[in-house]
Amino acid sequence: ETGVTQTPRHLVMGMTNKKSLKCEQHLGHNAMYWYKQSAKKPLELMFVYNFKEQTENNSVPSRFSPECPNSSHLFLHLHTLQPEDSALYLCASSQEAGSNTEAFFGQGTRLTVV
Amino acid sequence: AQSVTQLGSHVSVSEGALVLLRCNYSSSVPPYLFWYVQYPNQGLQLLLKYTTGATLVKGINGFEAEFKKSETSFHLTKPSAHMSDAAEYFCAVSQNRDDKIIFGKGTRLHILP
Repeated sequence: ETGVTQTPRHLVMGMTNKKSLKCEQHLGHNAMYWYKQSAKKPLELMFVYNFKEQTENNSVPSRFSPECPNSSHLFLHLHTLQPEDSALYLCASSQEAGSNTEAFFGQGTRLTVV
Repeated sequence: AQSVTQLGSHVSVSEGALVLLRCNYSSSVPPYLFWYVQYPNQGLQLLLKYTTGATLVKGINGFEAEFKKSETSFHLTKPSAHMSDAAEYFCAVSQNRDDKIIFGKGTRLHILP
């Protein structure tokens, strides 16, 4: 049990579908992150939320839309994705963005766009 | 801007041999440095971290890393490799008052019997 739970673990969607990824943390952290992990590429930071406020959008296409309703939950809404968006999407949390505490990761959602 | 470079996308060592995974960083201010491990179909798990103080940091599973400011390095070592160490290892850096945790490309460690 990592304290960070992501659902679903696997998702296959068509390019015209709309789906959402969910992340929940029970660690009392104030910062949450979305990362994209593609084969043969470094982990790409997508979004950062600190105290429910988005503080980083790393030039992510608008077909990815994050939502952070509270400090414990983070969503990634997906629509009209492309096949190249297929990847492992990792959610993480930390005590506070910019602090020296480590990030705790969920197990990820393996997304396949067909 | 901060960045992380991991030398070698794949490293193979024999069981019982020394493990050395290299990481160099760039940072405009004193960094926080981390090593994470990722097993297949899993998220990342923290192995160890350096924030301040002692430059030799000990982590879980017998791993340790040494912060060398003069070399801007934070190499990960383990004296004797075990088959269960086969995984992908990520070095990461963050800065105080910066929202980003930047990861290296990762090094996949293979353990030979």
